[in-house]
Amino acid sequence: EAGVAQSPRYKIIEKRQSVAFWCNPISGHATLYWYQQILGQGPKLLIQFQNNGVVDDSQLPKDRFSAERLKGVDSTLKIQPAKLEDSAVYLCASSSTRRTEAFFGQGTRLTVV
Amino acid sequence: AQSVTQLDSHVSVSEGTPVLLRCNYSSSYSPSLFWYVQHPNKGLQLLLKYTSAATLVKGINGFEAEFKKSETSFHLTKPSAHMSDAAEYFCVVSEAGGGADGLTFGKGTHLIIQP
Repeated sequence: EAGVAQSPRYKIIEKRQSVAFWCNPISGHATLYWYQQILGQGPKLLIQFQNNGVVDDSQLPKDRFSAERLKGVDSTLKIQPAKLEDSAVYLCASSSTRRTEAFFGQGTRLTVV
Repeated sequence: AQSVTQLDSHVSVSEGTPVLLRCNYSSSYSPSLFWYVQHPNKGLQLLLKYTSAATLVKGINGFEAEFKKSETSFHLTKPSAHMSDAAEYFCVVSEAGGGADGLTFGKGTHLIIQP
C-alpha cells in the first residue's frame, strides 16, 4: 500500500513570496490533515478535511494560509505572503475515518529567508 | 477541549534498561490516544493506539502503554531499551463528541539511549 506522498521535500523562499505544497493521501482515506511542525516542537494542526469539506481550520492563519482538497483526494496548502516564522516542516497525514490513527507523509521542509 | 502534557522533554536511559515516557491527557469526551515516534529526518510512525478496547495496549518494537482513566495518563514503556529506540516520541489525543477531533500532539519527549 502506497503511503502519503508530499512534494516538494524542501523549499527555500524569500519572505513575502508565495509557496504551495501538495499532498496525495492514501487511497480511500476520507480524512486529511495538514500540520505545521516548528523545530523542537510537536506538530500543530492547521486544517482537517473530511472528504472535500473542512472540519477544523481554527488554527489556520487565514490571512496568509489557504488549503483546498479538490474532489476529496489530493490537497494543496498555500502560503501567501510567507513570513520568517513560517519556517517549519509541513506534514500531511490521512486516515480512513475520523479519530483513527493517521499516517504521515515525509513532510516539506520550508525555509523562509 | 483536548490537550496532552508530556511530563519530560528529555529522558536518558542506558541500553538494556527499562524505558518510561510519561503522558497525561485532558479530554471532555472519550479519547482515543496514540504514541508516535519520529526518528531524525524521518516521518512520524505510529507506535500504538488506544481506542476504548483493552486498557493495556501493545505496539511495535516491544513498546506498550496503559490507559488509566482515573489518572488521565497514557504512559509509554519498554522493558529493555535498544540503541535504535533513540528518537522523539509524541503522545497524541483525539476525542469524540466535539466538532473538532483532529489529533492533538504533545510537545514531545526526546529519548536518549546511552551505550
